[in-house]
Amino acid sequence: DGGITQSPKYLFRKEGQNVTLSCEQNLNHDAMYWYRQDPGQGLRLIYYSQIVNDFQKGDIAEGYSVSREKKESFPLTVTSAQKNPTAFYLCASSIDRTGDTGELFFGEGSRLTVL
Amino acid sequence: AQSVAQPEDQVNVAEGNPLTVKCTYSVSGNPYLFWYVQYPNRGLQFLLKYITGDNLVKGSYGFEAEFNKSQTSFHLKKPSALVSDSALYFCAVRDRGNAGNMLTFGGGTRLMVKP
Repeated sequence: DGGITQSPKYLFRKEGQNVTLSCEQNLNHDAMYWYRQDPGQGLRLIYYSQIVNDFQKGDIAEGYSVSREKKESFPLTVTSAQKNPTAFYLCASSIDRTGDTGELFFGEGSRLTVL
Repeated sequence: AQSVAQPEDQVNVAEGNPLTVKCTYSVSGNPYLFWYVQYPNRGLQFLLKYITGDNLVKGSYGFEAEFNKSQTSFHLKKPSALVSDSALYFCAVRDRGNAGNMLTFGGGTRLMVKP
């Protein structure tokens, strides 16, 4: 079935460690996104990519990095510079071609806890 | 700039009663509007969208939403609530005239349906 796969679903890390969250899609979508969700808050955009080998910072990019070497993959690295990394991370994709309405398709999320 | 407001953090209804989850938006042009639902520790699932045409939009699981341009609202409704509808609901907007514009999400409304 087509969809977005995020892994791992749960991840624990010690302070000072970098971690990478995986996001893979087989929907043939051009655009991919990473959002952060905290309790009581909406979704905040970390990074997005509209084409391979290109990506843009979102509203809260500090302490995060991404790459887009393949259309299907958009991994997110949470670096030690991110001061409060414990959160639920959501990956999404969209068609993002002319005339597209911008509907997003989401993965199941990855919950990161810093010990 | 575009924004979305969900004025209620939580909505409580009894099973079998009608439900409404409120959403108001602000865009400089014409909007694309979306509703998503999120169950605990899961990704967001698309419910419905307004693009153009009929102001009453029908979506998944018996939900519907009414686009009201004069009130800049897009409230989510269901005639008869189920306990299984209990979840977190997000409204989102995109400015139709702004190519490449990202979705902006509201802060979410938790719906609690009691037996």
